[in-house]
Amino acid sequence: EPEVTQTPSHQVTQMGQEVILRCVPISNHLYFYWYRQILGQKVEFLVSFYNNEISEKSEIFDDQFSVERPDGSNFTLKIRSTKLEDSAMYFCASNGNSPLHFGNGTRLTVT
Amino acid sequence: AQSVAQPEDQVNVAEGNPLTVKCTYSVSGNPYLFWYVQYPNRGLQFLLKYITGDNLVKGSYGFEAEFNKSQTSFHLKKPSALVSDSALYFCAVRDFILTGGGNKLTFGTGTQLKVEL
Repeated sequence: EPEVTQTPSHQVTQMGQEVILRCVPISNHLYFYWYRQILGQKVEFLVSFYNNEISEKSEIFDDQFSVERPDGSNFTLKIRSTKLEDSAMYFCASNGNSPLHFGNGTRLTVT
Repeated sequence: AQSVAQPEDQVNVAEGNPLTVKCTYSVSGNPYLFWYVQYPNRGLQFLLKYITGDNLVKGSYGFEAEFNKSQTSFHLKKPSALVSDSALYFCAVRDFILTGGGNKLTFGTGTQLKVEL
């Protein structure tokens, strides 16, 4: 069964640095999403992406965040200047006419 | 705004016994409800969904969920629990994204299921 893949599985960065989290959604899916899960807390929606543009974003998704689909397969989340509170698991998801399929996540640790 | 509530942080059950993980919802209009499971260090895996139709929905790994409109509930059930069912379970409700279609999920806080021998 096709999967959403995310790299890296774990990223450690210093506060103020830029990070890029990468995702390869399922190939025939049209909608792409980023969610995050702060340790011990619930999964929160960040942003959705369709037809090469953001279709919705949450209040968490401020100017420090951006998403891009640089080619036909990758979908990236960039955090421009990381803060300690950005430490979380970040999940990529995609769907077509189906339930959301999630990747295994990238654990981001900001020190 | 759409929301779901999971009133139990943890549910403990003995292997072989039936299990129930509770979820209630608050939506405007018809609810589109989901259950996902998360194993340690993994992403969320889809278990089942309710959109319309039968109130009892069957899903993966022997799980089922009962939609109850009068009680605004969507409890996850399994007749006989396995130790391997131990995981974190999330109830979710779908919001339609008006611009460009697609949908997003609003998750509950999760319920840790622990199945013991």
